Amino acid sequence: EPEVTQTPSHQVTQMGQEVILRCVPISNHLYFYWYRQILGQKVEFLVSFYNNEISEKSEIFDDQFSVERPDGSNFTLKIRSTKLEDSAMYFCASSESRGGTEAFFGQGTRLTVV
Amino acid sequence: SQQGEEDPQALSIQEGENATMNCSYKTSINNLQWYRQNSGRGLVHLILIRSNEREKHSGRLRVTLDTSKKSSSLLITASRAADTASYFCATAAGTGGFKTIFGAGTRLFVKA
Repeated sequence: EPEVTQTPSHQVTQMGQEVILRCVPISNHLYFYWYRQILGQKVEFLVSFYNNEISEKSEIFDDQFSVERPDGSNFTLKIRSTKLEDSAMYFCASSESRGGTEAFFGQGTRLTVV
Repeated sequence: SQQGEEDPQALSIQEGENATMNCSYKTSINNLQWYRQNSGRGLVHLILIRSNEREKHSGRLRVTLDTSKKSSSLLITASRAADTASYFCATAAGTGGFKTIFGAGTRLFVKA
């Protein structure tokens, strides 16, 4: 069964460092998403990406964040100058069509900023 | 205000019992989805119900949708210990429906 894969599963970084979280969406999907879940809290939408551009982003997704689809398979989330409060699980998802249809989620990357 | 607020926040039942979780939302939707999350893991899509549907079944899952009340319920019948997880409802929002908004979830604990 096709699945969304994320690497690494766990990333520890020092405050102020840049991190890149990687995702390989399902191959025939056209819409890609990043979500964040701070421990014990809701899953929060960060950004959606379609046709090589951001289609929507939340207020959380400020200039510190960027996304990229550098090739035909990878979808990355870059966090510049990480802060302690960026510590969370980051989920990548993909879907064949827009949000509100079935999205397939990866297992997440646990980011710990120390 | 948030789309998709579930209640109860936590539910503890015995194996074999049924578990019912509710979700309320605020704006018009095209469809509503339920997801499951095992502790520290990713989200697993369970079921999608469209706005013109009132009930949908999938195995031991039954989902209802009442668009007049802007609410949905997820029923898990004959629960098993393996059903222990957090359950979230989610709705599409935003311009063109590009993002999915999740509720805070119901933590279900099924005792063996």
